[in-house]
Amino acid sequence: DIVMTQSPDSLAVSLGERATINCKSSQSVLYSSNNKNYLAWYQQKPGQPPKLLIYWASTREFGVPDRFIGSGSGTDFTLTISALQAEDVAVYYCQQYYSTSYTFGQGTKLEIK
Amino acid sequence: QLVESGGRVVRPGTSLRLSCAVSGFTFSSYAMHWVRQAPGKGLEWVAVISYDGRNKYYGDSVRGRFTISRDNSKNTLYLQMNSLRAEDTAVYYCAASIAVAGTILRWFDPWGQGTLVTVSS
Repeated sequence: DIVMTQSPDSLAVSLGERATINCKSSQSVLYSSNNKNYLAWYQQKPGQPPKLLIYWASTREFGVPDRFIGSGSGTDFTLTISALQAEDVAVYYCQQYYSTSYTFGQGTKLEIK
Repeated sequence: QLVESGGRVVRPGTSLRLSCAVSGFTFSSYAMHWVRQAPGKGLEWVAVISYDGRNKYYGDSVRGRFTISRDNSKNTLYLQMNSLRAEDTAVYYCAASIAVAGTILRWFDPWGQGTLVTVSS
């Protein structure tokens, strides 16, 4: 199975400042046939199901604010929140859908400093 | 909209079937997943079924005990869980993946609200 490792496990950022979450996969999730990274990011707030933010590593889901930016390729990926808002407090997960043994990162808890 | 049901408290070693009723999109055009989340823990993918029900895959921790199925005429997804263990205690979510050209390798969206399964003696 592809192991997804996020860092840090938790993060405290001041309102309006940048938050950066990293995700590393144990093998590449880049499909050479279509040059796409099979990597998604989700946001989960307490008591709610996960919400899709980003797919193909960098494509923002419809309706997701443009302060959420996905980047990276191969095995190393980043979710950046360019200017943290209070409503962004949540746990963030990366996930690979490169193989039929889909795996998530352990999650990164984002809080306000 | 995805609405899960069937979760409850059960004894170890028993069976339970979860359902996920889908509305608002063309169910038969989507692969469907079950994902679980133990209390206070992260997300664990459980199983996937292709849009036509022909292909099914399972996570290592449930393979041989759980069975995923679907009824496209009823817009409903199922998860039959046998030989339940305490470590199966979790909120179980169903989630959809758009099946472009029949693929099951896509992101999960949308998700249901989840149903809680508690396995305890």
